[in-house]
Amino acid sequence: TQLLEQSPQFLSIQEGENLTVYCNSSSVFSSLQWYRQEPGEGPVLLVTVVTGGEVKKLKRLTFQFGDARKDSSLHITAAQPGDTGLYLCAGAEGGTASKLTFGTGTRLQVTL
Amino acid sequence: DTGVSQNPRHKITKRGQNVTFRCDPISEHNRLYWYRQTLGQGPEFLTYFQNEAQLEKSRLLSDRFSAERPKGSFSTLEIQRTEQGDSAMYLCASSYTGDYGYTFGSGTRLTVV
Repeated sequence: TQLLEQSPQFLSIQEGENLTVYCNSSSVFSSLQWYRQEPGEGPVLLVTVVTGGEVKKLKRLTFQFGDARKDSSLHITAAQPGDTGLYLCAGAEGGTASKLTFGTGTRLQVTL
Repeated sequence: DTGVSQNPRHKITKRGQNVTFRCDPISEHNRLYWYRQTLGQGPEFLTYFQNEAQLEKSRLLSDRFSAERPKGSFSTLEIQRTEQGDSAMYLCASSYTGDYGYTFGSGTRLTVV
């Protein structure tokens, strides 16, 4: 069974601070996705990274896929209260539209 | 298309009762997935369909769980003889072969009392 460990589990920061969330595995994934989930709702896809070493930017969010495709990171610059939520990484074993293995999640709270 | 729809949003049932959840995926998506999520954890894979064929079922899924997608459109997930350990959020997602990302529904929150 492929496992994805996320760190930290919880993060409470003030508006304007920067943060990084890590997603690590001993297994290789063909692609890795990041989702954000609000309480009582389903996860919403933020980004998919496919190529080892790939970096993608989405406004203040920067996503990186490790060279060996075993790990990933999410960096948020100048966090805002609207960034509050549960961040989940998810790895795909196969190609497109394949089953995902989700990480343990990082709960982020951004306060004023 | 308004996305993936799940019904009901909440279900409270007594232990031992059967429950059924419905998922309506995005119409052009041929793959449909069921996941379960307990508090403080990431979603856990249960099963998935390509069109009407159930391609994979988690080994963690007991015989009390069954899922169908009879016409390759909507899907149902049934839990028989519910137990307190079944209490969780049941998430449905859909995708199209060739795409990486899923679109999730809002989930069905099951509470077994």
